[in-house]
Amino acid sequence: DVKVTQSSRYLVKRTGEKVFLECVQDMDHENMFWYRQDPGLGLRLIYFSYDVKMKEKGDIPEGYSVSREKKERFSLILESASTNQTSMYLCASRARSSGNTIYFGEGSWLTVV
Amino acid sequence: KQEVTQIPAALSVPEGENLVLNCSFTDSAIYNLQWFRQDPGKGLTSLLLIQSSQREQTSGRLNASLDKSSGRSTLYIAASQPGDSATYLCAVRNADAGGTSYGKLTFGQGTILTVHP
Repeated sequence: DVKVTQSSRYLVKRTGEKVFLECVQDMDHENMFWYRQDPGLGLRLIYFSYDVKMKEKGDIPEGYSVSREKKERFSLILESASTNQTSMYLCASRARSSGNTIYFGEGSWLTVV
Repeated sequence: KQEVTQIPAALSVPEGENLVLNCSFTDSAIYNLQWFRQDPGKGLTSLLLIQSSQREQTSGRLNASLDKSSGRSTLYIAASQPGDSATYLCAVRNADAGGTSYGKLTFGQGTILTVHP
């Protein structure tokens, strides 16, 4: 079965803290994505990676960075968390072929206080 | 810029009813369209994926159609059940620019479906 695992389901962090959100997939997929989902704004792409050590900015990369050192793991980093980064964060992965389904993790709820 | 719209925003139906959810997109240059289900507080579960060359896909009580030229897709749910209650999202994968292997997904805002007993 397809599996995208986000290690932290619920986090509470303080303003200014550095935050790491980890995502692991077990399907040998080349492409991995980080989205955030907010009421009224839908899903917005933060960053994606089309292969190991590759990354591209999405629509809202400001305040975030990513790391893809291994194919199965894609990390989202909030360098200095702010309250406007309180959100649901969703990781996803997909095989390189254009026809393939994208698979999502269960999401990570981040609250910045 | 691709824009995806889903209508209606919310829908409440009695159990057993057949229903249709709509998705429209502004740029017909897509690779595929995917329908997802999202339960409250959870991630997205893929339901159906339709390639741009296909007209429809079926899985159990679900049937999704695609009319690429008019920028529309519908998700048909037959004999709805309370367990179908969720938010349904559609997403289009835009055709790649410059021949790169990835394609950006653009999501609609979703339709919140409630099926009551």
